[in-house]
Amino acid sequence: DGGITQSPKYLFRKEGQNVTLSCEQNLNHDAMYWYRQDPGQGLRLIYYSQIVNDFQKGDIAEGYSVSREKKESFPLTVTSAQKNPTAFYLCASRPGLGGSSGADTQYFGPGTRLTVL
Amino acid sequence: AQKVTQAQTEISVVEKEDVTLDCVYETRDTTYYLFWYKQPPSGELVFLIRRNSFDEQNEISGRYSWNFQKSTSSFNFTITASQVVDSAVYFCALSGRRDDKIIFGKGTRLHILP
Repeated sequence: DGGITQSPKYLFRKEGQNVTLSCEQNLNHDAMYWYRQDPGQGLRLIYYSQIVNDFQKGDIAEGYSVSREKKESFPLTVTSAQKNPTAFYLCASRPGLGGSSGADTQYFGPGTRLTVL
Repeated sequence: AQKVTQAQTEISVVEKEDVTLDCVYETRDTTYYLFWYKQPPSGELVFLIRRNSFDEQNEISGRYSWNFQKSTSSFNFTITASQVVDSAVYFCALSGRRDDKIIFGKGTRLHILP
């Protein structure tokens, strides 16, 4: 089945540790995104990538890092520099690069719930 | 700057009632896209609809309908004959033509009571 997978579903981390969240898609989508969602809040963009080996900071990139070595994979590392990392993290992908055809729809994975102990 | 406002934080209705979720947006773009997503308790965001700014026709999909009005910068979502399975958080979102990012509203939590 085509889709977006995120693992693990639940993740616990001790303070001071880095942790990497996985996001994989087999939809052949060009663009991928990471969002953070806090209780009762909307989605805030952390990082996004339009093509392989390129990515841009979103609105709340501090304390996070990403890589895009393969089209289908866009892992997110939550570093110890992130002061309040406990949140729900959502990965999304989008088919096109925008441009004359306009923005394409983003499709989301099931999310990873990160808790810092 | 782009902005999406969902003024209704939480709504509760009894099953089979109709309910409308409001969405007001701000943008300076002449070409833009509006979206609605559903987030059930499982957490995954489910895409419901995309509209472009040049298409003001209302859309109906089963019990769901959307009313897009550029004159009031609104893109409201109505569920007819609501069901318990409609209980979720619903997000309205906006994207500009040249923008690869989507701006989300804060969401409306909808409770359908049996």
